[in-house]
Amino acid sequence: GNSVTQMEGPVTLSEEAFLTINCTYTATGYPSLFWYVQYPGEGLQLLLKATKADDKGSNKGFEATYRKETTSFHLEKGSVQVSDSAVYFCALHLGGTASKLTFGTGTRLQVTL
Amino acid sequence: EAGVTQFPSHSVIEKGQTVTLRCDPISGHDNLYWYRRVMGKEIKFLLHFVKESKQDESGMPNNRFLAERTGGTYSTLKVQPAELEDSGVYFCASSVSGGNTIYFGEGSWLTVV
Repeated sequence: GNSVTQMEGPVTLSEEAFLTINCTYTATGYPSLFWYVQYPGEGLQLLLKATKADDKGSNKGFEATYRKETTSFHLEKGSVQVSDSAVYFCALHLGGTASKLTFGTGTRLQVTL
Repeated sequence: EAGVTQFPSHSVIEKGQTVTLRCDPISGHDNLYWYRRVMGKEIKFLLHFVKESKQDESGMPNNRFLAERTGGTYSTLKVQPAELEDSGVYFCASSVSGGNTIYFGEGSWLTVV
């Protein structure tokens, strides 16, 4: 079956630190990959996506590269801010008749001053 | 353009009562999804509509949950009777036909006491 595995949280970083949140996947086909973010008290927002191998998604200083050889889509940011504190979800989407997202468990990020 | 809207945003009900959640997808989106995040766990798929038809309802937990999408526009998710373990955030999402980007609403936060 399809699955997404994320690193366990919570992750606590000081402001301006480098962030990596690991995500690996298992899929029966060639998925599109996504990072969603949920800020406190808010809904899910699409952060970035990549639709094929070697694509790099980027938004708000965050980046993730679709690595087919390692089945990974790690999220990175060079310098985090307090406002980045949120829960981050990695997800895959296969489309077609199996058109639904499969999510990881989410990783909570807490950024402190 | 309006995004996916959900109502109510928060609901507190007693065990055994009924709650109906409503979702208005983005205009023109044939695909409509319901997801749930319970007690800080992963976001789980409940079901998928294509227009008014249920494409995939494999994630519906039991027959206390009933989803409808009459006319292929808005959707409702009814929980009857509600149990304590139904507490969580219910997300609705939508996408265009053939699209690989799924847009989420802000969620309906349900607490069963």
